[in-house]
Amino acid sequence: GQNIDQPTEMTATEGAIVQINCTYQTSGFNGLFWYQQHAGEAPTFLSYNVLDGLEEKGRFSSFLSRSKGYSYLLLKELQMKDSASYLCAVLDSNYQLIWGAGTKLIIKP
Amino acid sequence: IAGITQAPTSQILAAGRRMTLRCTQDMRHNAMYWYRQDLGLGLRLIHYSNTAGTTGKGEVPDGYSVSRANTDDFPLTLASAVPSQTSVYFCASSERGGQDEQFFGPGTRLTVL
Repeated sequence: GQNIDQPTEMTATEGAIVQINCTYQTSGFNGLFWYQQHAGEAPTFLSYNVLDGLEEKGRFSSFLSRSKGYSYLLLKELQMKDSASYLCAVLDSNYQLIWGAGTKLIIKP
Repeated sequence: IAGITQAPTSQILAAGRRMTLRCTQDMRHNAMYWYRQDLGLGLRLIHYSNTAGTTGKGEVPDGYSVSRANTDDFPLTLASAVPSQTSVYFCASSERGGQDEQFFGPGTRLTVL
């Protein structure tokens, strides 16, 4: 079967750094996405990785290791507005997205 | 219209009734998708369309149907609603599908009693 695992919830402090992990087992791999979803809103795109390594985009970075079936999203200089759920999704062999349940990130002052 | 819109925003429906959720995008995207999102579960794909005139089944298609008569519109129909279809429904689109990022509508919160 296909499986995406992420922690259910994480807590971090404003101004700090947090790493959200995602492990996956899917039928084929054509890339991994991270989306942000604020409560009651639609998901919005953060990053896409298809090659191994780190992609940096401002305060957010995303890492991929295809051999380990592992990715992480790194958020630096946390702000209160970063309180949201972070969704990991893998593009499988049929080019369909398989989604994790999401990690709810709580930022405390 | 800017981006992707859905209607209605929310709906309470009696079991057994027919319901169509509307989705319209003005980005001229080829690919469109319908997902449902339930607490504790990831987004699950219901149906998709890679281009106007074609549709395909996703992970959880039973009880739902779609049509794609033109590029902009992708309605989702529940022929006879059941309580297990209570969920938040998101429509999304992407330029070509596959590795392109998906843009999501604001969602429809549906309750079936």
